[in-house]
Amino acid sequence: NAGVMQNPRHLVRRRGQEARLRCSPMKGHSHVYWYRQLPEEGLKFMVYLQKENIIDESGMPKERFSAEFPKEGPSILRIQQVVRGDSAAYFCASSRRAGGSTDTQYFGPGTRLTVL
Amino acid sequence: TQLLEQSPQFLSIQEGENLTVYCNSSSVFSSLQWYRQEPGEGPVLLVTVVTGGEVKKLKRLTFQFGDARKDSSLHITAAQPGDTGLYLCAGARGTNAGKSTFGDGTTLTVKP
Repeated sequence: NAGVMQNPRHLVRRRGQEARLRCSPMKGHSHVYWYRQLPEEGLKFMVYLQKENIIDESGMPKERFSAEFPKEGPSILRIQQVVRGDSAAYFCASSRRAGGSTDTQYFGPGTRLTVL
Repeated sequence: TQLLEQSPQFLSIQEGENLTVYCNSSSVFSSLQWYRQEPGEGPVLLVTVVTGGEVKKLKRLTFQFGDARKDSSLHITAAQPGDTGLYLCAGARGTNAGKSTFGDGTTLTVKP
């Protein structure tokens, strides 16, 4: 199965701890996107990365959140000093090229973050 | 500001009925995708429409992109319990390649 992989699938953190979410894109895909989803809502764009570059982080909160996509290894979404409002499902998607009309984003199964 | 409005938000029907869900916007999109998401899983792509007026069929599902590329509809014929799920539309604009805007979805329940 060469789909988008995310781990962990479920993550529980206490307020003030750090959360690290990992995403391995599909083979051959060099574009990664992170989205956040609250219950019974659609996905909200957070950040778009290519290898070693952040292309668009307009949906990312200015504090506590960061993302990277290193030359080797998975993309990481990092949330420092988590608060209860960070509890959500975080989805990663990947594409071969830039999205929009030129390519398709394929989604991973998500990481469900619960902050106690 | 919600760029993509989906309606209805919730829909519960009996097996065998037909239904249509809508995705509307005041913005023009270069492409629009429909996804289906089951509880605890990520969205799965159903179709991408690109051309205004385009109609695509996927078995019992018919997708239409509006002539002005601002809206879309998904019609399901003879719904089955297996169609139950959250249907999401997502649009991309040429000036913002890579960033998709999602609607809040339509939660469909098909009762046997």
